Amino acid sequence: QVQLVESGGGVVQPGRSLRLSCAASGFDFSAYAMHWVRQAPGKGLEWVTLISHNGLNEYFGDSVKGRFSVSRDNSKNTVFLQMSSLRPEDTAVYYCARELSGTSGDYFDHWGLGTLVTVSS
Amino acid sequence: EIVLTQSPATLSLSPGERATLSCRASQNVRTFLAWYQQKPGQAPRLLIYDASHRAPGIPARFSGSGSGTDFTLSISSLEPDDSAVYYCQQRSDWPPGVTFGQGTRLEIK
Repeated sequence: QVQLVESGGGVVQPGRSLRLSCAASGFDFSAYAMHWVRQAPGKGLEWVTLISHNGLNEYFGDSVKGRFSVSRDNSKNTVFLQMSSLRPEDTAVYYCARELSGTSGDYFDHWGLGTLVTVSS
Repeated sequence: EIVLTQSPATLSLSPGERATLSCRASQNVRTFLAWYQQKPGQAPRLLIYDASHRAPGIPARFSGSGSGTDFTLSISSLEPDDSAVYYCQQRSDWPPGVTFGQGTRLEIK
């Protein structure tokens, strides 16, 4: 079955960097676009980034543009989120999510359990 | 940027009743709209995509409708397990991106 497992979260000081990983299994990873979505404590969902199936296209939400980058290794079925210049408002649970195939919309049919990032001094 | 506004913020109903949740987009999103259910401590679950298509494994009690700027998620014959926060979500053509509504909390009394 489809599994997405995030890792790499933790406590980090403002201005520092952190890299999250999402290990995928149970499907043809190289055929799917992948996204990161975050959720601040007690708040709603915020889309972070999208990377196309082949890694050639990336898009970011306005709040992280220029600070975060995304990449993937299709040989290892893993997608990465590199976060730099972290701010307290980046504190959130970060989910990776698989994009539903066969539609024109960017919908998320499978999600990981999430990894918590806390930005605090 | 397209803004999604959900109403009501909170809905409290009894088992067996019907819930109607609304999502309004600030611009025409055609039918590129999805609904998710999120329970405490869990990741969201896709319920409806393309405004009215149920995701695999979703009971027929859940239905979506609408197009353009006004969308509805209906849940018939409410069960206690339906207690959750429900989010709508749309995608933008350009720049490519995704936005979520602020959520509706559904409480089953």
